[in-house]
Amino acid sequence: NAGVTQTPKFQVLKTGQSMTLQCAQDMNHNSMYWYRQDPGMGLRLIYYSASEGTTDKGEVPNGYNVSRLNKREFSLRLESAAPSQTSVYFCASSLGRSSGNTIYFGEGSWLTVV
Amino acid sequence: QQQVKQSPQSLIVQKGGISIINCAYENTAFDYFPWYQQFPGKGPALLIAIRPDVSEKKEGRFTISFNKSAKQFSLHIMDSQPGDSATYFCAASKGGADGLTFGKGTHLIIQP
Repeated sequence: NAGVTQTPKFQVLKTGQSMTLQCAQDMNHNSMYWYRQDPGMGLRLIYYSASEGTTDKGEVPNGYNVSRLNKREFSLRLESAAPSQTSVYFCASSLGRSSGNTIYFGEGSWLTVV
Repeated sequence: QQQVKQSPQSLIVQKGGISIINCAYENTAFDYFPWYQQFPGKGPALLIAIRPDVSEKKEGRFTISFNKSAKQFSLHIMDSQPGDSATYFCAASKGGADGLTFGKGTHLIIQP
């Protein structure tokens, strides 16, 4: 029962470096999401993909790009990392766009930008 | 603009007591209100959820109370246990849109 799997779990980057966070789900879900979690800020939506082949901006998209590679995989890319992007990143998925569908989260990726 | 406001930020309750966390929302288009529980080092997990057509939903020791006219909802944890110590997030979503709008979270500590 893998659910939502994210890699890497931990990463330290230097300012200006790039990296990609990988996410895969094995629940045959249509929708996938990337959130970031910062102390005292809750979880904020970065990007989402309602279905394979589509992506849309969330609340805090600046500095990020995403790719919905196929139905299972949704990656988040930081092209030029900044200290403000130090955060915990969560990938999530749900069956579809209906508001009642449960959103399932991965275990998180801890990113530090120095 | 914070669409879902959660309080308190932190809460300490004695074992066996009642833990109460409150949330208020602004957008009347929201039609689904889940609560998520998060343990350290883990991702959030759905705890319980409610739709605005009911005023209360109970699952075991966890109850959501919903007041549509006041645009408020709350989580009650009865007979709180040390294992309930976690961060709790309220959230809201609206039909046809994607993702959840989260409150800022409540760090709950249950003292033995």
